[in-house]
Amino acid sequence: GAGVSQSPRYKVAKRGQDVALRCDPISGHVSLFWYQQALGQGPEFLTYFQNEAQLDKSGLPSDRFFAERPEGSVSTLKIQRTQQEDSAVYLCASSLTPLETQYFGPGTRLLVL
Amino acid sequence: QKEVEQNSGPLSVPEGAIASLNCTYSDRVSQSFFWYRQYSGKSPELIMSIYSNGDKEDGRFTAQLNKASQYVSLLIRDSQPSDSATYLCAVNMFTSGTYKYIFGTGTRLKVLA
Repeated sequence: GAGVSQSPRYKVAKRGQDVALRCDPISGHVSLFWYQQALGQGPEFLTYFQNEAQLDKSGLPSDRFFAERPEGSVSTLKIQRTQQEDSAVYLCASSLTPLETQYFGPGTRLLVL
Repeated sequence: QKEVEQNSGPLSVPEGAIASLNCTYSDRVSQSFFWYRQYSGKSPELIMSIYSNGDKEDGRFTAQLNKASQYVSLLIRDSQPSDSATYLCAVNMFTSGTYKYIFGTGTRLKVLA
């Protein structure tokens, strides 16, 4: 079946712009995770959903970051008033349950100028 | 102290040799451990998962887990140039009330032809 998909794959934003990143998880996967990966670093946890409930948002770096998964499937990560330090690859992953293997999407590479 | 630690490398091995990648973690109650491979510009892909102490083999890959020492390793036998990538160790930890993957920074492996 289809894997995790993300869009857009690349996004260039001017500082101060708002951006929205989309994740379409594997069908039937209850758990959905967002990560931020800076160059040369491992993925850093941002937030976790179980179905439509956002159970953990402890990794979101500021209140400019907001995520939702209203119907328990597709998720959107929104970044308001982007800053240069937001430039990174944003990875989405899904799993059947929180304890099982996470499968990653291709990522969205965000560049804030 | 980081929760999951890896040597960033690069680790260089000749083609055909065994590559040994190591990872230590801080949370004694962690139950699930994963090795992901990440090629430059791509998203992480699962190599191995391991849940019990001891060795788990899959083709040329062997994962080793020692919970008492809080140590997990990945051995790659008969290394090939196509194995050149960054290898990420991930530990599924229960923290802030939910399970989440904590990644190491990754070890860059270079297999020399």
